[in-house]
Amino acid sequence: EPEVTQTPSHQVTQMGQEVILRCVPISNHLYFYWYRQILGQKVEFLVSFYNNEISEKSEIFDDQFSVERPDGSNFTLKIRSTKLEDSAMYFCASSEAGLAGSRRTDTQYFGPGTRLTVL
Amino acid sequence: AQKITQTQPGMFVQEKEAVTLDCTYDTSDPSYGLFWYKQPSSGEMIFLIYQGSYDQQNATEGRYSLNFQKARKSANLVISASQLGDSAMYFCAMREGGYQKVTFGTGTKLQVIP
Repeated sequence: EPEVTQTPSHQVTQMGQEVILRCVPISNHLYFYWYRQILGQKVEFLVSFYNNEISEKSEIFDDQFSVERPDGSNFTLKIRSTKLEDSAMYFCASSEAGLAGSRRTDTQYFGPGTRLTVL
Repeated sequence: AQKITQTQPGMFVQEKEAVTLDCTYDTSDPSYGLFWYKQPSSGEMIFLIYQGSYDQQNATEGRYSLNFQKARKSANLVISASQLGDSAMYFCAMREGGYQKVTFGTGTKLQVIP
């Protein structure tokens, strides 16, 4: 069964450094997402991406964050100048479509996550 | 107001027994999707089951079923014949019409006892 993949599985960085988290969504999916989960807390939406542009973003997704689809398969999240509070698990997800009323189109499938530790 | 409420921070169930994990949601949108995800200790987020707001029947996926009570705005997950591998965190989530984000609840930690 197709799955979302993410690299690296764990990234350690110094405060103020830039990091790029990488994801390969499921190949026939059109919508891509980033979520984060601070340890012990609930999963929070960051951004969604469709047709090569941001379609929705949360208040968390400020100017230090950016997303890109550099080629036909990868989807990346860049954090420009990391802060201690950016330490979290970052999940990439993809779905076939936007909300269209079916399991097949609406379900967002998550990757295994990248654990980011900012020191 | 919370969009998704999971009132059980932790639950225990005996192996082979059934267990119900509670979830209530809040939306004024007539079009929405409800999801349950499982997060084992390894950290990945595994999709379990989906219920659309217009679906007439309760969703089932193997040992998982969703008890959807639309008027009460509840979407409880029922796991039948619990297995040790079911021990994990379970998240209820919702996607509302017009939005792409999925909003998650705080989760219920299920522990299956041999």
